[in-house]
Amino acid sequence: QVTLKESGPVLVKPTETLTLTCTVSGFSLNNTRMGVTWIRQSPGKALEWLAHIFSKDEKSYSKSLKSRLTISKDTSKSQVVLSMTNMDPVDTATYYCARMISGNWFDPWGQGILVTVSS
Amino acid sequence: DIRLTQSPSSLSASVGDRVIITCRASQKISRYLNWYQQKPGKAPKLLIYGASSLQSGVPPRFSGSGSETEFTLTIISLQPEDFATYYCQQSYSTLFTFGPGTRVDIK
Repeated sequence: QVTLKESGPVLVKPTETLTLTCTVSGFSLNNTRMGVTWIRQSPGKALEWLAHIFSKDEKSYSKSLKSRLTISKDTSKSQVVLSMTNMDPVDTATYYCARMISGNWFDPWGQGILVTVSS
Repeated sequence: DIRLTQSPSSLSASVGDRVIITCRASQKISRYLNWYQQKPGKAPKLLIYGASSLQSGVPPRFSGSGSETEFTLTIISLQPEDFATYYCQQSYSTLFTFGPGTRVDIK
């Protein structure tokens, strides 16, 4: 069974850096047909794709957030880490990680983690 | 970036109704279009990938069609558990984008 779980702080202050971890099970981060993606959803809003990383460390970032995002993986720990710098209250959202299949669809998703940015 | 629009933005329907949701892309994307269902407080769930392939475990009352710039998600005979928000997502460009969503609620 494939599962993903997000972890990290639920409250960060403005200007701080957010670091989230996605721990996966049921598949390997070395699998050439799979990757992990991060998506967020502000309260009451639509889904917003942030970044993804594939098995050979190929990475891609949202154009609008590229300067603030870093994605990396630790295959031995089955973890993918997303960092976002200079957090702002508008970054308050539920952050999801999901497995990305080579055709670039996302399944399954983690349960999500609600991150609030507030002083 | 490839922009996706969805129509309608919301609809009210009754159990047993047929529901059609449209997703339009700002440029041709072949059949690189996926559909997700999201219920309140839950993570999205993949329904359809590659425009028309039904994800394993998804009931056959869901179907997808279309290509290039116009796509549809059809739910025949809406069931109580289908009341949710539906999102399309393009995977033609690796700068992935989602549509704004279509909320389906009970009439």
